[in-house]
Amino acid sequence: NAGVMQNPRHLVRRRGQEARLRCSPMKGHSHVYWYRQLPEEGLKFMVYLQKENIIDESGMPKERFSAEFPKEGPSILRIQQVVRGDSAAYFCASSPPGRSDIQYFGAGTRLSVL
Amino acid sequence: KQEVTQIPAALSVPEGENLVLNCSFTDSAIYNLQWFRQDPGKGLTSLLLIQSSQREQTSGRLNASLDKSSGRSTLYIAASQPGDSATYLCAVSSARQLTFGSGTQLTVLP
Repeated sequence: NAGVMQNPRHLVRRRGQEARLRCSPMKGHSHVYWYRQLPEEGLKFMVYLQKENIIDESGMPKERFSAEFPKEGPSILRIQQVVRGDSAAYFCASSPPGRSDIQYFGAGTRLSVL
Repeated sequence: KQEVTQIPAALSVPEGENLVLNCSFTDSAIYNLQWFRQDPGKGLTSLLLIQSSQREQTSGRLNASLDKSSGRSTLYIAASQPGDSATYLCAVSSARQLTFGSGTQLTVLP
């Protein structure tokens, strides 16, 4: 009974490159959430997705960031033209249908921008 | 907009002490409140979840309370051990997201 799977665990990019972070939810879960944790800070909500649908993206930066959760395959958080300030831990969570109040977290992807 | 505050930001205690971590939130319209543990460079481990209709939850040496009307929660750790050293995060749930505090970094000295 695998939990929320995120990969890669660590990602290094140079400024201007693209970063793609993947998240596979727990089996039977149809909702995915992305959170960002900057150094020395708590987690901040970014986006909430269901299959093929963005439900709430109120925490997403206006530029360079996008997220998707296709009908098949993992959810992807994409950061274009990364900058040093994007260095952070990105956590994905999933929840079962109808229970967005209970979220299970993955181990996170730590992005370092050189 | 929901805001979650955790006090203190850091705490250092000798092994064996009982301790209390505090969490406050500004909007009492929550579904539940959850306490997590985070070890350096690691993910989140859920410790306790209190539904909005509940007053407290217990698991082993941990006890969490919730006073929704005053917007407060406490996490009580009994007989602390060096293995309890970690950052403890409080999070409140709305319909669509969790709002986290900045955490309390706990160090238990042997």
